[in-house]
Amino acid sequence: DVKVTQSSRYLVKRTGEKVFLECVQDMDHENMFWYRQDPGLGLRLIYFSYDVKMKEKGDIPEGYSVSREKKERFSLILESASTNQTSMYLCASSPALDNEQFFGPGTRLTVL
Amino acid sequence: QKEVEQNSGPLSVPEGAIASLNCTYSDRGSQSFFWYRQYSGKSPELIMSIYSNGDKEDGRFTAQLNKASQYVSLLIRDSQPSDSATYLCAGHQAGTALIFGKGTTLSVSS
Repeated sequence: DVKVTQSSRYLVKRTGEKVFLECVQDMDHENMFWYRQDPGLGLRLIYFSYDVKMKEKGDIPEGYSVSREKKERFSLILESASTNQTSMYLCASSPALDNEQFFGPGTRLTVL
Repeated sequence: QKEVEQNSGPLSVPEGAIASLNCTYSDRGSQSFFWYRQYSGKSPELIMSIYSNGDKEDGRFTAQLNKASQYVSLLIRDSQPSDSATYLCAGHQAGTALIFGKGTTLSVSS
């Protein structure tokens, strides 16, 4: 079974802090994704990566950056957290862009 | 902006009935489609994928794809209260990641 893990289920941070969200997959997938999910807005793609050190902007990259130094690990970075970044953050991986994505359990981030 | 559209619901059906969830997409080039189920507070889990026109059955679930009309549907037979969840439709847009609809909330009453 594909397993995607995220470093925290719940996280509380203060405005202006730098925040790191980590995601690890164990199935050697080429592609990894970061989404945020908010009520009424659905899943919105922040960034994705199709290979180590490669990244592409999604629909809402502003205020975020990513890092993929190893194939199995994809990190989302909030350079200076703001209250409007309070959300559920979901990581996913897939073997190819047109294949199904497998999601991690999510991190509910609250920025105070 | 290419899109995947779903009726947000809620769709309410009695236990044992057939639930029909629909999705339309704008990108004629989309070739692969997926249905995910998401329980409240949980992450989406894949329940069906479909790549060809026609029907694909898996237990109580049937996915239907009509590329000419650009719609995808999911039928859930013998609906159970445990099927109450939000169902996300996703389609593949060439060169980028899957495009997700906003989801349809299904409520099955016992």
